[in-house]
Amino acid sequence: AQKVTQAQTEISVVEKEDVTLDCVYETRDTTYYLFWYKQPPSGELVFLIRRNSFDEQNEISGRYSWNFQKSTSSFNFTITASQVVDSAVYFCALSDFGGTDKLIFGTGTRLQVFP
Amino acid sequence: ETGVTQTPRHLVMGMTNKKSLKCEQHLGHNAMYWYKQSAKKPLELMFVYSLEERVENNSVPSRFSPECPNSSHLFLHLHTLQPEDSALYLCASSQELAFADTQYFGPGTRLTVL
Repeated sequence: AQKVTQAQTEISVVEKEDVTLDCVYETRDTTYYLFWYKQPPSGELVFLIRRNSFDEQNEISGRYSWNFQKSTSSFNFTITASQVVDSAVYFCALSDFGGTDKLIFGTGTRLQVFP
Repeated sequence: ETGVTQTPRHLVMGMTNKKSLKCEQHLGHNAMYWYKQSAKKPLELMFVYSLEERVENNSVPSRFSPECPNSSHLFLHLHTLQPEDSALYLCASSQELAFADTQYFGPGTRLTVL
């Protein structure tokens, strides 16, 4: 069965702190894709990253970085030097070959960055 | 316009009203989706269309009726809704209906049923 767990319901930090959002997934497939989306208060889900299961290299994009570890089935997301504009709900999602092309979302982590 | 657009952004309707939500994608994609996002619940996939054909209907009540007249447009027709249908309705599109493809979302329609 496919499942995505985001155990952190809500995180609060002060601006300039680093913060890591956890994502743990379950799948029986060896071929799958992992995604992170950001949902600001406006409501739109903004695509951040897609990673396939064969590429375990960590990725950095500006203040954002992602740590993919197949050994622990985790795909964690770190924001360095957080800013108020980072306040949003962040969703991790999984899509695998056996999942009839569905995107399985976690329940999201609400990040609040205070000035 | 770029990306995925949705209209209206906000909608308040009575239980006896009939209304429609509209989604348009400007990405040249072939697959489109409707999702429902309720407070404190995970995103729920409602309908999936690929090349204008419905390929998924996740046990959605018949008071929700989708329509996909072409690969760029998707509608969700609403009638005799219940208060529990109040939610954010999100439209998304992807290049193809394939697990490897990224879904791009619109800004959503926030629906309130009185």
